[in-house]
Amino acid sequence: EDKVVQSPLSLVVHEGDTVTLNCSYEVTNFRSLLWYKQEKKAPTFLFMLTSSGIEKKSGRLSSILDKKELFSILNITATQTGDSAVYLCAVVLRTSGGTSYGKLTFGQGTILTVHP
Amino acid sequence: DGGITQSPKYLFRKEGQNVTLSCEQNLNHDAMYWYRQDPGQGLRLIYYSQIVNDFQKGDIAEGYSVSREKKESFPLTVTSAQKNPTAFYLCASSAKGGWYEQYFGPGTRLTVT
Repeated sequence: EDKVVQSPLSLVVHEGDTVTLNCSYEVTNFRSLLWYKQEKKAPTFLFMLTSSGIEKKSGRLSSILDKKELFSILNITATQTGDSAVYLCAVVLRTSGGTSYGKLTFGQGTILTVHP
Repeated sequence: DGGITQSPKYLFRKEGQNVTLSCEQNLNHDAMYWYRQDPGQGLRLIYYSQIVNDFQKGDIAEGYSVSREKKESFPLTVTSAQKNPTAFYLCASSAKGGWYEQYFGPGTRLTVT
């Protein structure tokens, strides 16, 4: 059974702290890994990672994938209260035909709370 | 404005009743998806559709049904056979070939008592 596990499940920090969120996976036919941010309702797309060791960066957020050890991390530096959200990790699987059709398997999510 | 709309935002039903959740997109996306979100369990795929008049079961399709008669619309029916229907339901869409970037609607919170 395909499995995606995120840790920690929740995290409370103060503004200015740096946080590292973890996502490990055990899946067959891995294609890529995605990170989403969910503040109130609709998740918004952050990063897609396909290759090992290549860091993706957007402002204070960055992410990297390790396909050998089967995990990804999401780093947030100099956290702000606006970073408070649920961060979701999802894995896209390659189907037997070679395409994936966007079928995502999600982790449980990490609830990040940033206090002023 | 382009986007995905879901209605209603909150829905209350009595046990034993079927209920249909609406999902409409004007992004001209080919693929659409339904997910269920429960506390502590992330999102789980219920059904997905790549093209009109075609759809496939996801990981937890039992007790649900869908239709895809129009490209813009992908309604989900929660039937009385679904054992634990109370949940937050999210609809998403993606462009053909842009499968990795799924755009999500605002969700419908269904409560069944």
